Amino acid sequence: AQTVTQSQPEMSVQEAETVTLSCTYDTSESDYYLFWYKQPPSRQMILVIRQEAYKQQNATENRFSVNFQKAAKSFSLKISDSQLGDAAMYFCAYGSSNTGKLIFGQGTTLQVKP
Amino acid sequence: NAGVMQNPRHLVRRRGQEARLRCSPMKGHSHVYWYRQLPEEGLKFMVYLQKENIIDESGMPKERFSAEFPKEGPSILRIQQVVRGDSAAYFCASSESLRETQYFGPGTRLLVL
Repeated sequence: AQTVTQSQPEMSVQEAETVTLSCTYDTSESDYYLFWYKQPPSRQMILVIRQEAYKQQNATENRFSVNFQKAAKSFSLKISDSQLGDAAMYFCAYGSSNTGKLIFGQGTTLQVKP
Repeated sequence: NAGVMQNPRHLVRRRGQEARLRCSPMKGHSHVYWYRQLPEEGLKFMVYLQKENIIDESGMPKERFSAEFPKEGPSILRIQQVVRGDSAAYFCASSESLRETQYFGPGTRLLVL
């Protein structure tokens, strides 16, 4: 069975600085997807970024980028130039291309200090 | 293009009552997933449906919970004889296909008194 682990329950960053959120996963599948979702106080789940496992290039979306290390089964999220609106709970998720279901980590609460 | 719609946004039920949660997927999406989020926890997969078919219900409790996605109309997650432990946020997500990104609705917060 696949598992996703986020070892940082809480992180904080100064506005305009850079922060990295960690995520590791375990799987025996070769074809899968990885995601970061953001959950602000409104509780809405918002897609931040997606990475296909077969792609070696790290995904990037504006200020958000990932460091995908397939052999180490590591998938960290880097947020550059942090903004107050980035404050939220961040969930790492594994997506199986066989079953479709997402498996989520426990989440990391990010605080952004002005 | 409207996003995933869920209603009601908040639902209060007394123990023993039934709860019906509705989900309308994004236009063009035929795959629907239900997840449950208990307080201070991540989301847990419950069930995966396509039109008129349950594909994977491995995350659904064996009793009291059921889901459907009829040919016409929204997907329904039904909880019979609710108990306090059912209090949670229930999220629906939809995708175009198995390999495509899932987009989430705003969730339904169920409170069982």
